[in-house]
Amino acid sequence: AQRVTQPEKLLSVFKGAPVELKCNYSYSGSPELFWYVQYSRQRLQLLLRHISRESIKGFTADLNKGETSFHLKKPFAQEEDSAMYYCALSPWGGDKLIFGTGTRLQVFP
Amino acid sequence: GAGVSQSPSNKVTEKGKDVELRCDPISGHTALYWYRQSLGQGLEFLIYFQGNSAPDKSGLPSDRFSAERTGGSVSTLTIQRTQQEDSAVYLCASSSSPLGSGETQYFGPGTRLLVL
Repeated sequence: AQRVTQPEKLLSVFKGAPVELKCNYSYSGSPELFWYVQYSRQRLQLLLRHISRESIKGFTADLNKGETSFHLKKPFAQEEDSAMYYCALSPWGGDKLIFGTGTRLQVFP
Repeated sequence: GAGVSQSPSNKVTEKGKDVELRCDPISGHTALYWYRQSLGQGLEFLIYFQGNSAPDKSGLPSDRFSAERTGGSVSTLTIQRTQQEDSAVYLCASSSSPLGSGETQYFGPGTRLLVL
């Protein structure tokens, strides 16, 4: 079965601390993995996707096929990073997104 | 340019009534998706339209849910005989081509539905 698991509902850190939002997936083939972010009172938007291998707003995510993980990391959290983060997968060459339940990141000053 | 728009932004209805939710995708986008965001459940795929192809309805939770897309643009999600468990935020997204081709889904602001 296709599934995305985000074990943490809430992650709280202080400004400047490292952040890692965990994401594990189960899928029999080779999926495409994404991180979406929803800031307060804004719409859901794409943060990054694994095929791009980009760093967006200081965030990176590496696909680990052995551990079926796609954790989101940032070395130094900023207050403006406070938001809801969703990990998602799409079957390779597919269409719909399968989302995790999301992790709320709170960055305190 | 204008992003994906949805209406109404909020809808309160009584159990048993029918509701219609509207989505206007980004102009020129051929792919349109509906998702549901329930409290504590994350986002759940409902239905996907791509051009003139038959829609992928595999995520619709019951036959009370239906959707159509007229003229390859605007889409309407209809929920008949609403139940309290239908209360959620309904999100629409569009992309310029199928997701698997490397495109990005752009989301609307959502319609918050409350069934009393």
